Amino acid sequence: NAGVTQTPKFQVLKTGQSMTLQCAQDMNHEYMSWYRQDPGMGLRLIHYSVGAGITDQGEVPNGYNVSRSTTEDFPLRLLSAAPSQTSVYFCASSSPRGKAEAFFGQGTRLTVV
Amino acid sequence: KQEVTQIPAALSVPEGENLVLNCSFTDSAIYNLQWFRQDPGKGLTSLLLIQSSQREQTSGRLNASLDKSSGRSTLYIAASQPGDSATYLCAAQGGSEKLVFGKGMKLTVNP
Repeated sequence: NAGVTQTPKFQVLKTGQSMTLQCAQDMNHEYMSWYRQDPGMGLRLIHYSVGAGITDQGEVPNGYNVSRSTTEDFPLRLLSAAPSQTSVYFCASSSPRGKAEAFFGQGTRLTVV
Repeated sequence: KQEVTQIPAALSVPEGENLVLNCSFTDSAIYNLQWFRQDPGKGLTSLLLIQSSQREQTSGRLNASLDKSSGRSTLYIAASQPGDSATYLCAAQGGSEKLVFGKGMKLTVNP
């Protein structure tokens, strides 16, 4: 049972480049979310989804897009990377409808130069 | 807006001590309160989940309590070991289904 899988684990981007962070879960969870973790700021919610076809913004959504075409996958897209997006990104999933234990991926460490 | 606070930000103790980690939240209308552990360079691992209707949960040497009326949760770690060294985070989940995290407490248990 893989749980929540994030790829890649590390990435270096140049300012202005775009990329997609992948997140997949095999637990049939309805609720999935993306967080970024920065020193002194803790974990902040970027976007979340309560099911396939449904997404919503979290606390810090600017510069990021998401989509949820299947229950299993919830990719995070950086449209035009900026140095301020240098961070560690975590994907999480839970069920039912978020009112239960959350499972986290191992994270993607992104550096924008 | 829910705010979650963990004080102190860091704690260093000798092995064998019984520990109390504190978590406070501003909005008592929560569905649950969850405690996580994070090792350096790793993801978050769920330790305990307390539903709003519960007062406490136990797993091995860990015990978490929840007092919604005072906006507090406490994680007790009995007989601490060097392997307990990590950052501990608490998160409150409310009606919006979003988890709101504290900034964490870095624990160091010295042999």
